[in-house]
Amino acid sequence: EPEVTQTPSHQVTQMGQEVILRCVPISNHLYFYWYRQILGQKVEFLVSFYNNEISEKSEIFDDQFSVERPDGSNFTLKIRSTKLEDSAMYFCASTAPTSPGELFFGEGSRLTVL
Amino acid sequence: SQQGEEDPQALSIQEGENATMNCSYKTSINNLQWYRQNSGRGLVHLILIRSNEREKHSGRLRVTLDTSKKSSSLLITASRAADTASYFCATDWSTGGFKTIFGAGTRLFVKA
Repeated sequence: EPEVTQTPSHQVTQMGQEVILRCVPISNHLYFYWYRQILGQKVEFLVSFYNNEISEKSEIFDDQFSVERPDGSNFTLKIRSTKLEDSAMYFCASTAPTSPGELFFGEGSRLTVL
Repeated sequence: SQQGEEDPQALSIQEGENATMNCSYKTSINNLQWYRQNSGRGLVHLILIRSNEREKHSGRLRVTLDTSKKSSSLLITASRAADTASYFCATDWSTGGFKTIFGAGTRLFVKA
């Protein structure tokens, strides 16, 4: 069964460092998302991406965040200068054109900022 | 905020009992979805109900939607220990864009 894959599964970084989280969405999907979940808290929307541009973004998605689809398969989230409060699970999701309401999630990348 | 809010925050039941979780939201929606998350894992889509639907079934799951009250419920019948997880409702904006917002979730614990 096709699935969304995310790498790395866990990354530890120093405050102020740049981090890139990678996602490979399901191949025929056209809509892509990043969410984050701070331990024990709710799943927060960061950004959605369609047709090679940002569709929607939240207040959390400030200038230190960026997304890119550098080729036909990868979808990346970059955090330019990490802060302690960026420590969270980051989930990538994608949806098919025929069922845009059904998000398929990856297993997440755990980011720990020290 | 458009976010759905679930209640209860936590629910503990015996295996075989039914579990009911509720969700309320604030703005008009295209559809409402329910997801499940096992601890530390990704979310798994369970069921989607459109704004013009009132009830939907999928196996042991039953979802209702009341757009006049801006609320939905998820019923899991004959619960099993394996149903232990967090359950989230999520809503899509009806004003365009692709933005699915999740509620805070209900943590369900099913005791064997």
